Amino acid sequence: RKEVEQDPGPFNVPEGATVAFNCTYSNSASQSFFWYRQDCRKEPKLLMSVYSSGNEDGRFTAQLNRASQYISLLIRDSKLSDSATYLCVVNMRGRALTFGSGTRLQVQP
Amino acid sequence: NAGVTQTPKFQVLKTGQSMTLQCAQDMNHEYMSWYRQDPGMGLRLIHYSVGAGITDQGEVPNGYNVSRSTTEDFPLRLLSAAPSQTSVYFCASSYKLPQETQYFGPGTRLLVL
Repeated sequence: RKEVEQDPGPFNVPEGATVAFNCTYSNSASQSFFWYRQDCRKEPKLLMSVYSSGNEDGRFTAQLNRASQYISLLIRDSKLSDSATYLCVVNMRGRALTFGSGTRLQVQP
Repeated sequence: NAGVTQTPKFQVLKTGQSMTLQCAQDMNHEYMSWYRQDPGMGLRLIHYSVGAGITDQGEVPNGYNVSRSTTEDFPLRLLSAAPSQTSVYFCASSYKLPQETQYFGPGTRLLVL
């Protein structure tokens, strides 16, 4: 079993749609959680951190469920520019991050 | 600031050759790391460093060496390249801890024949 699991997609959605991704992690002692975004053939960039109480940044909402060991990312009013791969990232061992393999989103006109 | 820079952008090697992938950052970050990214595998940590003179192994360290003689530079050495090392390599840095925002370099695409 992978330590961080994501549905690879692709998720094909029309502009303006709401889309949600989930990510599960195996280590219940995990401390920190993030969503990174990676455009095709580019480096990953931090989208947002995920806090226990849930947090929002514009059209993006992230939530953490420690009991079920999953985090989620909700994107409202999808834009063409949101097309990318979204990486779920977990800090499990203090000194390192563990990345999921990513969920690809394609927003269509 | 240039951020995190990596050279070369592309490289083709023959099996058995050695090479060094360069990584530098000008943000005075203490934490630096190397990842490889393969299709369907996500980014996997090769080696990391929490400061000059301190390095440690990540998830997939075999076949790679690192050193950290300065805060700015964190080169990755392939000792004897193998086709299994064909991948995209990313260097990343953060101020002190991996939990902080990681800034990635643009990557090096390596093909080993």
